[in-house]
Amino acid sequence: EDKVVQSPLSLVVHEGDTVTLNCSYEVTNFRSLLWYKQEKKAPTFLFMLTSSGIEKKSGRLSSILDKKELFSILNITATQTGDSAVYLCAVSNAGGTSYGKLTFGQGTILTVHP
Amino acid sequence: DAMVIQNPRYQVTQFGKPVTLSCSQTLNHNVMYWYQQKSSQAPKLLFHYYDKDFNNEADTPDNFQSRRPNTSFCFLDIRSPGLGDAAMYLCATSRARGRAEAFFGQGTRLTVV
Repeated sequence: EDKVVQSPLSLVVHEGDTVTLNCSYEVTNFRSLLWYKQEKKAPTFLFMLTSSGIEKKSGRLSSILDKKELFSILNITATQTGDSAVYLCAVSNAGGTSYGKLTFGQGTILTVHP
Repeated sequence: DAMVIQNPRYQVTQFGKPVTLSCSQTLNHNVMYWYQQKSSQAPKLLFHYYDKDFNNEADTPDNFQSRRPNTSFCFLDIRSPGLGDAAMYLCATSRARGRAEAFFGQGTRLTVV
């Protein structure tokens, strides 16, 4: 059975701290790994990673994938209270004619205090 | 703005009373998904449509059905909701088969009383 495991399950930090969220996976047909941010609403897309070792960056957020060791990390620098959310990692089998099932981890709850 | 819209945002239903959740999209995407997310758990895929082709996950209970009358709309029907069906139901779309990125609606939080 495909499995995606995120750690830590929850994290409490203060504004300005840097955090690293972890995602490891065991899936039979890996094509890509995606990170989403979920506040009290729909998950919003952050990054999609398909190649090992290539960092994706957007402002204070960055992510990297290691396909050999089967994990990804999401870094957030200089955290702000607006970064408080659940961060979901998902693995996709989409490619060619495969429809793109996302297998999610259970999420990391990040709380940033002022 | 093109988007995925779910209605209602909150739904309370009685134990055993059929309920329908709806999803519409203006993205013109071929693939639509329904995920169930219980409290503090990962979203779990229930089924998906590729155009009109319906695909059920093997472990989706028979109590859950879906309809997609056209490209824009998709419905989730729960025939006889039980207390264990209380969850957030997320609709998502992706542009085509083979495209990983999914766009999510805001979800419908279902409470069963």
